Amino acid sequence: EAGVVQSPRYKIIEKKQPVAFWCNPISGHNTLYWYLQNLGQGPELLIRYENEEAVDDSQLPKDRFSAERLKGVDSTLKIQPAELGDSAVYLCASSHGTYKRDTGELFFGEGSRLTVL
Amino acid sequence: QKEVEQNSGPLSVPEGAIASLNCTYSDRVSQSFFWYRQYSGKSPELIMSIYSNGDKEDGRFTAQLNKASQYVSLLIRDSQPSDSATYLCAVLNTGFQKLVFGTGTRLLVSP
Repeated sequence: EAGVVQSPRYKIIEKKQPVAFWCNPISGHNTLYWYLQNLGQGPELLIRYENEEAVDDSQLPKDRFSAERLKGVDSTLKIQPAELGDSAVYLCASSHGTYKRDTGELFFGEGSRLTVL
Repeated sequence: QKEVEQNSGPLSVPEGAIASLNCTYSDRVSQSFFWYRQYSGKSPELIMSIYSNGDKEDGRFTAQLNKASQYVSLLIRDSQPSDSATYLCAVLNTGFQKLVFGTGTRLLVSP
């Protein structure tokens, strides 16, 4: 079974430029998460989807971040414009669980490491 | 007060010893608790989950939960150099349907 696939693995951009990350979850997983992880910190939730619905986007900085999961399968996270402080690893995860019955058992992709110069 | 607290370490243990990793959480309504392992440069992977008070054993790993003290721990017996990683404690608040991660404890197992 294929795992969670993310791309690109690495991205270097200058500040104020846009960037997009793509994620394809494990087949059959309806719930998809985007997390941000800074060095030496644990993952922090940005947005959670159940199918195509964003069920928790309370931590997503909506002035510059956007996400979509149009067909309830793969997802894209966009930052526009990027700031220096956005340098981090962006992790995508998926799970069997649902919003009302979260299992807490997440399967993570390899992450997309963003460096903003 | 952070929702999930861990000592960042590093925790250094010799090969063959028992490594003890600790985690405290602030929200009493939390129901489910998890340990994720993250190797350097890699993504987290789930290694243990525990839902009720007491111990849960899986091979060399034992998770311990004390809800009254709001305390979760992970014991790794016969530690191996390959266990060297950061161990993330995660707590699921079923009321808010939110999984919160701690900052992780870095474990170093020396040969």
